[in-house]
Amino acid sequence: DGGITQSPKYLFRKEGQNVTLSCEQNLNHDAMYWYRQDPGQGLRLIYYSQIVNDFQKGDIAEGYSVSREKKESFPLTVTSAQKNPTAFYLCASSRRVQKPSTDTQYFGPGTRLTVL
Amino acid sequence: SQQGEEDPQALSIQEGENATMNCSYKTSINNLQWYRQNSGRGLVHLILIRSNEREKHSGRLRVTLDTSKKSSSLLITASRAADTASYFCATVPNSGGYQKVTFGTGTKLQVIP
Repeated sequence: DGGITQSPKYLFRKEGQNVTLSCEQNLNHDAMYWYRQDPGQGLRLIYYSQIVNDFQKGDIAEGYSVSREKKESFPLTVTSAQKNPTAFYLCASSRRVQKPSTDTQYFGPGTRLTVL
Repeated sequence: SQQGEEDPQALSIQEGENATMNCSYKTSINNLQWYRQNSGRGLVHLILIRSNEREKHSGRLRVTLDTSKKSSSLLITASRAADTASYFCATVPNSGGYQKVTFGTGTKLQVIP
């Protein structure tokens, strides 16, 4: 899982509550990403950040928010507006953003969120 | 739909056999990457092949790329029980500006000891 940590590993939330997932990296990477993975499916991009204080929506950003105040940290908030939040959430980082990208993405161990 | 589609969805083989997984994609790519995911864990990068390359090797892994057919294959030779995992292809389009990596749906490989 490289130098990326995600916490907690398991998270339970009541319907209607916001919850924040942590992602920290010590790889000195510029770019960070959040993905959602549902059973039997691939990864879908929620948000990505190319540099501090900048982030962009991915394919499924509705109901999610992020911040990038520090290079090392890219927390994801799952809001009550997200209609089906139960999923496995993966954070990743890459060295820098090239156009197009040939950089390897390094993934954290993931957070499994369950809405009760 | 996803840019990369893996085939088969699931594969079960005996230890020592070879495992082949295929990935098809739709648009022109700059590169294609293969990742591995153990159950309940994050993904680990295995290999990257650029659009001007046809074949690449890394240990027991062999990746081929056929841009005319828009397809790639991952071959794992002499499989081991520890190779049991899901394998994903990921494509990077060949367009200007920042282009995100798009992951396929994965092939679930089971290697029986």
